Amino acid sequence: QQQVKQSPQSLIVQKGGISIINCAYENTAFDYFPWYQQFPGKGPALLIAIRPDVSEKKEGRFTISFNKSAKQFSLHIMDSQPGDSATYFCAASVTGGGADGLTFGKGTHLIIQP
Amino acid sequence: DADVTQTPRNRITKTGKRIMLECSQTKGHDRMYWYRQDPGLGLRLIYYSFDVKDINKGEISDGYSVSRQAQAKFSLSLESAIPNQTALYFCAIQTGNQPQHFGDGTRLSIL
Repeated sequence: QQQVKQSPQSLIVQKGGISIINCAYENTAFDYFPWYQQFPGKGPALLIAIRPDVSEKKEGRFTISFNKSAKQFSLHIMDSQPGDSATYFCAASVTGGGADGLTFGKGTHLIIQP
Repeated sequence: DADVTQTPRNRITKTGKRIMLECSQTKGHDRMYWYRQDPGLGLRLIYYSFDVKDINKGEISDGYSVSRQAQAKFSLSLESAIPNQTALYFCAIQTGNQPQHFGDGTRLSIL
């Protein structure tokens, strides 16, 4: 049973456009929702994270929108740049920081075309 | 990432061989994790450890074992490797409510 469903699997966006990646979860005990960015040959790196007590969190060009009632959260990348081309993973955990382990989505391969 | 060192970075081996992947950290974090990444499947948790005497199974622990030799070292073993264990393996560290921090992975191929 997949507890975190991520879409789309791949995404192509023009430079300067908005990239949107969506995730849905099933376990209502999840209390921490991070997004990780991964470049080829590297491990995932934390991009931004949110707790369910807020509906939106913004850091620079990256924004998480969170809808607790719908059990959905999404990543928006504004003014997308070629350097944003990477694989993005949403994740969820029942404990802060993922202390009991993170449950990941399957990932989105994002390509930003110049 | 230098804070989390995984060795080897690449390994090719044969079915039935015993394999050990090693992870060491310089941050002194108490929690360490092993994940497996397969194309199109994301990362899945294999084992995690809160300290030297606290080891916990993750989602996909069958076929794997771990050892926390010291706070800084967490090893993953495949006692008898099989081809469907071919994957990228990542170690991560974490402390308090800080986010998990990942190493750069070991690419394991089992022929």
